[in-house]
Amino acid sequence: DTEVTQTPKHLVMGMTNKKSLKCEQHMGHRAMYWYKQKAKKPPELMFVYSYEKLSINESVPSRFSPECPNSSLLNLHLHALQPEDSALYLCASSPYQGSGELFFGEGSRLTVL
Amino acid sequence: LAKTTQPISMDSYEGQEVNITCSHNNIATNDYITWYQQFPSQGPRFIIQGYKTKVTNEVASLFIPADRKSSTLSLPRVSLSDTAVYYCLVGDIGSSNTGKLIFGQGTTLQVKP
Repeated sequence: DTEVTQTPKHLVMGMTNKKSLKCEQHMGHRAMYWYKQKAKKPPELMFVYSYEKLSINESVPSRFSPECPNSSLLNLHLHALQPEDSALYLCASSPYQGSGELFFGEGSRLTVL
Repeated sequence: LAKTTQPISMDSYEGQEVNITCSHNNIATNDYITWYQQFPSQGPRFIIQGYKTKVTNEVASLFIPADRKSSTLSLPRVSLSDTAVYYCLVGDIGSSNTGKLIFGQGTTLQVKP
């Protein structure tokens, strides 16, 4: 299994809602990542987890809260988002932090109204 | 982190070889060069990675001159399905303490029949 699975594929939420994005991999990878991608722009790194611990936070606003319950799962909790947070949120995994070969999911398309 | 510069867009025809060059003048000694491909509404997909000289796999070749200040991704005999955005990334992937992979602006390749 070489897939990274992200759910939901599409999400629409209001600015006062609380929602979560989920990511799962069963490749035994010990590093997991969240990227944000706006239309016609490159993916921007948000968070990196290594061995289930937060390793890198790219100064992401606190309305985005990552969580890594175990080595296969990565969540991104969303609260009080702004319309400008609408984007494609991509999850990725790699064998270890520092491996240049990331395996990406297809993303969760988020729309904030 | 080394900054990368790529052409914004390129056009080609089916069956031609395509070469996409990336400039990274301030590449560090420990940095590797990695290329990803991304189709619309999908996550990026790893293509190839190298440190110096030439690397080849079943999909592409990567040429890196001795000074490592640039690299060229070569796609042999492209088809319409190779129409995508191609990203060049430079980063210290050998250290588990870093592992930041920052995407550049990318090159949109349009393959025509």
